[in-house]
Amino acid sequence: QVQLQESGPGLVKPSETLSLTCTVSGYSISSGYYWGWIRQPPGKGLEWIGSIYHSGSTYYNPSLKSRVTISVDTSKNQFSLKLSSVTAADTAVYYCARATAVAGPFDYWGQGTLVTVSS
Amino acid sequence: DIQMTQSPSTLSASVGDRVTITCRASQSISSWLAWYQQKPGKAPKLLIYKASSLESGVPSRFSGSGSGTEFTLTISSLQPDDFATYYCQQYNSYSVDVRFGQGTKVEIK
Repeated sequence: QVQLQESGPGLVKPSETLSLTCTVSGYSISSGYYWGWIRQPPGKGLEWIGSIYHSGSTYYNPSLKSRVTISVDTSKNQFSLKLSSVTAADTAVYYCARATAVAGPFDYWGQGTLVTVSS
Repeated sequence: DIQMTQSPSTLSASVGDRVTITCRASQSISSWLAWYQQKPGKAPKLLIYKASSLESGVPSRFSGSGSGTEFTLTISSLQPDDFATYYCQQYNSYSVDVRFGQGTKVEIK
Protein backbone atom coordinates (compact mmCIF):
# COMPACT_ATOMS: atom_id res chain seq x y z
CA GLN A 1 0.00 0.00 0.00
CA VAL A 2 1.35 3.38 -1.03
CA GLN A 3 1.80 5.76 1.89
CA LEU A 4 3.05 9.33 2.03
CA GLN A 5 4.12 11.23 5.14
CA GLU A 6 4.94 14.92 5.37
CA SER A 7 7.53 16.19 7.84
CA GLY A 8 9.03 19.54 8.73
CA PRO A 9 8.69 22.53 11.05
CA GLY A 10 5.18 23.53 12.05
CA LEU A 11 6.16 27.15 12.64
CA VAL A 12 8.09 29.40 10.26
CA LYS A 13 8.91 33.08 10.70
CA PRO A 14 7.84 35.65 8.10
CA SER A 15 10.37 36.19 5.30
CA GLU A 16 12.03 32.84 6.00
CA THR A 17 11.91 29.64 3.94
CA LEU A 18 9.38 26.89 4.55
CA SER A 19 10.88 23.43 4.07
CA LEU A 20 8.94 20.17 4.02
CA THR A 21 9.80 16.61 3.08
CA CYS A 22 7.50 13.85 1.93
CA THR A 23 8.60 10.27 2.59
CA VAL A 24 7.02 7.64 0.36
CA SER A 25 6.63 4.01 1.37
CA GLY A 26 5.13 1.08 -0.50
CA TYR A 27 6.24 2.42 -3.88
CA SER A 28 9.55 3.46 -5.37
CA ILE A 29 9.53 7.06 -6.62
CA SER A 30 12.05 6.07 -9.29
CA SER A 31 9.49 3.66 -10.79
CA GLY A 32 7.39 6.52 -12.13
CA TYR A 33 4.38 8.74 -11.44
CA TYR A 34 4.45 12.41 -10.54
CA TRP A 35 4.76 13.68 -7.00
CA GLY A 36 3.11 16.88 -5.93
CA TRP A 37 2.46 19.40 -3.20
CA ILE A 38 -0.97 20.88 -2.52
CA ARG A 39 -1.90 23.28 0.27
CA GLN A 40 -5.09 24.33 2.02
CA PRO A 41 -5.33 27.49 4.15
CA PRO A 42 -7.49 27.00 7.26
CA GLY A 43 -11.17 26.87 6.27
CA LYS A 44 -10.40 27.39 2.59
CA GLY A 45 -9.99 25.41 -0.63
CA LEU A 46 -7.15 23.49 -2.23
CA GLU A 47 -4.24 25.07 -4.13
CA TRP A 48 -1.72 23.13 -6.21
CA ILE A 49 1.85 24.24 -5.52
CA GLY A 50 3.80 22.08 -7.93
CA SER A 51 4.83 18.61 -9.01
CA ILE A 52 8.00 16.69 -9.85
CA TYR A 53 8.74 13.59 -11.92
CA HIS A 54 11.25 11.01 -10.71
CA SER A 55 13.67 12.26 -13.36
CA GLY A 56 13.69 15.64 -11.63
CA SER A 57 11.48 17.54 -14.10
CA THR A 58 9.48 20.12 -12.20
CA TYR A 59 6.18 21.93 -12.79
CA TYR A 60 5.04 24.85 -10.69
CA ASN A 61 1.91 26.92 -10.11
CA PRO A 62 2.66 30.17 -11.98
CA SER A 63 1.42 32.22 -9.03
CA LEU A 64 4.04 30.65 -6.73
CA LYS A 65 6.78 29.80 -9.20
CA SER A 66 9.18 32.54 -8.16
CA ARG A 67 9.25 31.24 -4.57
CA VAL A 68 8.97 27.45 -4.98
CA THR A 69 11.55 24.72 -5.38
CA ILE A 70 10.61 21.04 -5.45
CA SER A 71 13.31 18.39 -5.48
CA VAL A 72 13.50 14.60 -5.32
CA ASP A 73 15.90 12.20 -3.60
CA THR A 74 15.25 8.77 -5.07
CA SER A 75 17.86 7.15 -2.79
CA LYS A 76 15.76 8.09 0.22
CA ASN A 77 12.43 7.75 -1.62
CA GLN A 78 11.61 11.32 -0.67
CA PHE A 79 10.68 14.57 -2.35
CA SER A 80 10.84 18.02 -0.83
CA LEU A 81 9.28 21.47 -0.97
CA LYS A 82 10.94 24.81 -0.30
CA LEU A 83 8.85 27.99 -0.29
CA SER A 84 10.83 31.17 0.23
CA SER A 85 9.90 34.60 1.60
CA VAL A 86 6.82 33.32 3.40
CA THR A 87 4.09 35.52 4.81
CA ALA A 88 1.01 34.85 6.92
CA ALA A 89 -0.83 34.08 3.66
CA ASP A 90 1.29 30.92 3.36
CA THR A 91 -0.18 29.50 6.58
CA ALA A 92 -1.87 26.29 5.50
CA VAL A 93 -2.06 22.53 5.75
CA TYR A 94 0.48 21.22 3.24
CA TYR A 95 -0.21 17.88 1.58
CA CYS A 96 2.07 15.73 -0.54
CA ALA A 97 0.42 13.46 -3.07
CA ARG A 98 1.03 11.10 -5.98
CA ALA A 99 -0.34 11.93 -9.41
CA THR A 100 -0.88 9.72 -12.42
CA ALA A 101 0.06 12.58 -14.73
CA VAL A 102 1.86 15.87 -14.25
CA ALA A 103 -1.36 17.71 -13.42
CA GLY A 104 -3.20 14.91 -11.69
CA PRO A 105 -5.38 13.33 -10.66
CA PHE A 106 -3.90 12.77 -7.20
CA ASP A 107 -4.61 9.22 -6.10
CA TYR A 108 -2.59 8.91 -2.89
CA TRP A 109 -2.21 11.68 -0.31
CA GLY A 110 -0.26 12.24 2.87
CA GLN A 111 -2.19 13.15 6.01
CA GLY A 112 -1.10 16.77 5.76
CA THR A 113 0.93 19.00 8.04
CA LEU A 114 -0.06 22.42 9.33
CA VAL A 115 2.55 25.11 8.81
CA THR A 116 1.95 28.42 10.55
CA VAL A 117 3.83 31.55 9.52
CA SER A 118 4.21 33.79 12.53
CA SER A 119 6.90 35.66 14.41
CA ASP B 1 -6.20 30.61 -16.83
CA ILE B 2 -9.00 28.10 -16.51
CA GLN B 3 -11.39 28.82 -13.65
CA MET B 4 -13.48 26.12 -11.99
CA THR B 5 -16.83 27.02 -10.43
CA GLN B 6 -18.77 24.60 -8.27
CA SER B 7 -22.40 24.86 -7.29
CA PRO B 8 -23.93 24.91 -4.84
CA SER B 9 -21.43 25.96 -2.18
CA THR B 10 -23.47 24.19 0.47
CA LEU B 11 -26.07 21.49 0.09
CA SER B 12 -28.40 20.20 2.81
CA ALA B 13 -29.69 16.69 2.27
CA SER B 14 -31.02 13.64 4.07
CA VAL B 15 -29.81 10.06 4.12
CA GLY B 16 -31.19 8.32 1.03
CA ASP B 17 -31.42 11.49 -1.06
CA ARG B 18 -30.04 11.72 -4.59
CA VAL B 19 -27.46 14.49 -4.62
CA THR B 20 -25.96 16.30 -7.60
CA ILE B 21 -23.03 18.73 -7.54
CA THR B 22 -22.06 20.75 -10.60
CA CYS B 23 -18.63 21.94 -11.71
CA ARG B 24 -18.20 24.36 -14.60
CA ALA B 25 -14.93 25.18 -16.35
CA SER B 26 -14.31 28.60 -17.91
CA GLN B 27 -13.14 26.85 -21.08
CA SER B 28 -13.21 23.33 -22.43
CA ILE B 29 -11.15 20.80 -20.51
CA SER B 30 -12.31 17.77 -22.49
CA SER B 31 -12.74 15.07 -19.82
CA TRP B 32 -9.76 16.04 -17.68
CA LEU B 33 -11.75 16.36 -14.48
CA ALA B 34 -11.51 14.64 -11.11
CA TRP B 35 -13.72 14.68 -8.03
CA TYR B 36 -12.48 14.39 -4.45
CA GLN B 37 -14.18 13.93 -1.07
CA GLN B 38 -12.67 15.59 1.99
CA LYS B 39 -13.72 15.09 5.59
CA PRO B 40 -12.69 17.49 8.39
CA GLY B 41 -9.04 17.10 9.35
CA LYS B 42 -8.40 14.55 6.60
CA ALA B 43 -6.72 14.59 3.21
CA PRO B 44 -8.88 14.62 0.09
CA LYS B 45 -9.81 11.23 -1.35
CA LEU B 46 -10.02 10.64 -5.09
CA LEU B 47 -13.49 9.48 -6.15
CA ILE B 48 -13.73 10.03 -9.91
CA TYR B 49 -11.16 10.68 -12.63
CA LYS B 50 -11.44 11.44 -16.32
CA ALA B 51 -14.90 12.86 -15.58
CA SER B 52 -16.67 9.53 -15.21
CA SER B 53 -14.19 6.79 -14.20
CA LEU B 54 -14.72 5.45 -10.69
CA GLU B 55 -11.55 5.12 -8.63
CA SER B 56 -10.92 1.62 -7.30
CA GLY B 57 -12.66 0.96 -3.99
CA VAL B 58 -15.11 3.84 -4.28
CA PRO B 59 -18.77 2.83 -3.80
CA SER B 60 -20.85 2.63 -6.95
CA ARG B 61 -23.38 5.14 -5.59
CA PHE B 62 -20.87 7.79 -6.74
CA SER B 63 -20.88 8.65 -10.42
CA GLY B 64 -19.54 11.41 -12.60
CA SER B 65 -20.60 12.75 -15.97
CA GLY B 66 -19.94 15.56 -18.40
CA SER B 67 -17.33 16.81 -20.80
CA GLY B 68 -16.14 20.12 -22.17
CA THR B 69 -17.17 22.74 -19.63
CA GLU B 70 -19.94 21.20 -17.52
CA PHE B 71 -19.60 18.28 -15.17
CA THR B 72 -21.64 16.65 -12.43
CA LEU B 73 -20.98 14.42 -9.46
CA THR B 74 -23.99 12.38 -8.39
CA ILE B 75 -24.49 10.40 -5.21
CA SER B 76 -27.42 8.12 -5.95
CA SER B 77 -28.44 7.46 -2.33
CA LEU B 78 -26.69 9.58 0.28
CA GLN B 79 -25.20 7.61 3.16
CA PRO B 80 -24.11 8.90 6.61
CA ASP B 81 -20.46 8.50 5.59
CA ASP B 82 -20.97 10.84 2.61
CA PHE B 83 -21.41 14.05 4.58
CA ALA B 84 -18.24 15.89 3.58
CA THR B 85 -16.88 18.56 1.28
CA TYR B 86 -16.45 17.71 -2.39
CA TYR B 87 -13.97 19.32 -4.78
CA CYS B 88 -13.61 19.14 -8.52
CA GLN B 89 -10.19 19.47 -10.12
CA GLN B 90 -9.22 20.05 -13.70
CA TYR B 91 -5.93 18.52 -14.75
CA ASN B 92 -4.83 19.80 -18.09
CA SER B 93 -1.41 18.21 -18.52
CA TYR B 94 -0.81 19.98 -21.83
CA SER B 95 -0.65 23.37 -20.20
CA VAL B 96 0.09 22.02 -16.70
CA ASP B 97 -2.82 23.97 -15.32
CA VAL B 98 -4.06 22.45 -12.07
CA ARG B 99 -7.18 24.08 -10.63
CA PHE B 100 -9.57 23.03 -7.93
CA GLY B 101 -13.13 24.20 -7.53
CA GLN B 102 -14.00 26.08 -4.37
CA GLY B 103 -15.76 23.07 -2.84
CA THR B 104 -19.30 21.96 -2.03
CA LYS B 105 -20.16 21.08 1.54
CA VAL B 106 -22.80 18.38 1.87
CA GLU B 107 -24.43 18.67 5.27
CA ILE B 108 -27.19 16.93 7.12
CA LYS B 109 -30.66 18.40 6.60
